[in-house]
Amino acid sequence: AQKVTQAQTEISVVEKEDVTLDCVYETRDTTYYLFWYKQPPSGELVFLIRRNSFDEQNEISGRYSWNFQKSTSSFNFTITASQVVDSAVYFCALRSPNFGNEKLTFGTGTRLTIIP
Amino acid sequence: DAGVIQSPRHEVTEMGQEVTLRCKPISGHDYLFWYRQTMMRGLELLIYFNNNVPIDDSGMPEDRFSAKMPNASFSTLKIQPSEPRDSAVYFCASSLLKGVVYEQYFGPGTRLTVT
Repeated sequence: AQKVTQAQTEISVVEKEDVTLDCVYETRDTTYYLFWYKQPPSGELVFLIRRNSFDEQNEISGRYSWNFQKSTSSFNFTITASQVVDSAVYFCALRSPNFGNEKLTFGTGTRLTIIP
Repeated sequence: DAGVIQSPRHEVTEMGQEVTLRCKPISGHDYLFWYRQTMMRGLELLIYFNNNVPIDDSGMPEDRFSAKMPNASFSTLKIQPSEPRDSAVYFCASSLLKGVVYEQYFGPGTRLTVT
């Protein structure tokens, strides 16, 4: 079985503050993939990043960074110098590619509100 | 390139009516997924196809739901008869399996309201 836990249901920060969204996953597979998606108020789901289980290098993309730690089964997402446009629901997802299984398991999401 | 296209964007119907949601995946993608999103249950995978063949429909709630993919560029999700509890946002997503790595790209969703 696989599971994704996003314990933070809602977070509010003032603009320009840094914020970290937590994601903890469970899987029995040794090879798996982790994803983050953004769902802004307009409703669409936007792909942000994919991380493979065999690559623990952290990644930075502009103001976004991701910290992947297999030892704690976590894949946390940090937004630096937050902006109002970052307000959205963020989903963490897991894919364990057992033969024939292409499913994504999503967390329940974290609603992030950036206060101007 | 065009992303995943869904129609209609909004649908309001009365209980008992048939509803058909449509999806055009990204050209060249070989996987297509249908999801449902509600406040209570979050994002749920209903069914997915590979090369137009249904692979896993274990998420389809009941026999009132059916999905087809007659060709690589079109899929439908049908609810007959619809019930108020079917009210949700329905997303279609597509992906391309490159080796063992892929990501799913989502359409804008169809907001369904059943009264």
